[in-house]
Amino acid sequence: GAGVSQSPRYKVAKRGQDVALRCDPISGHVSLFWYQQALGQGPEFLTYFQNEAQLDKSGLPSDRFFAERPEGSVSTLKIQRTQQEDSAVYLCASSLMQATNEKLFFGSGTQLSVL
Amino acid sequence: GQQLNQSPQSMFIQEGEDVSMNCTSSSIFNTWLWYKQDPGEGPVLLIALYKAGELTSNGRLTAQFGITRKDSFLNISASIPSDVGIYFCAGQQSTNAGKSTFGDGTTLTVKP
Repeated sequence: GAGVSQSPRYKVAKRGQDVALRCDPISGHVSLFWYQQALGQGPEFLTYFQNEAQLDKSGLPSDRFFAERPEGSVSTLKIQRTQQEDSAVYLCASSLMQATNEKLFFGSGTQLSVL
Repeated sequence: GQQLNQSPQSMFIQEGEDVSMNCTSSSIFNTWLWYKQDPGEGPVLLIALYKAGELTSNGRLTAQFGITRKDSFLNISASIPSDVGIYFCAGQQSTNAGKSTFGDGTTLTVKP
């Protein structure tokens, strides 16, 4: 399809494991965002890319969280030494341009469960 | 940090009834957005509001941007079963393009 694609759909990790979550934005979309959604809550901003440049990472909860978008297309969110509080749905969104009122298109998310 | 207070937390209504939900904030936002999220899916944008006082409709949905820029409401008229889902408000400030602050959602249940 032509939407934002995220993989895996579900990920179960043991506490202390590293995980990598992938996002394929809509082709040609300049901006890419990662959000974290805990159960029963709204999404919370993690980080933002414009092409390959990470312009805002103020929402990353700790230095265990790292995101990259090396070629300005696919992005990976990596979480090192996972903890139980990392359990959440991780949503990726993209938009065509950088402008404030650009519509965000969200993927279906990766549900991470840390045991 | 910024917080959006969304109410009510949940609603149980009969098909055909009108619905109203709102969102308030202690911070000023320059853009207000309303999203719907179905189980296992990402949020989908319903309505975007860009000016204080703006009233915008999308089919049976109507949303308003409060004049203080600290609140917004969403109305759904003549609800149908497929309106079931979680509705989120979100605010944006012009200095953070695309970086939205979300409320915690209103869960809507429609009984046929």
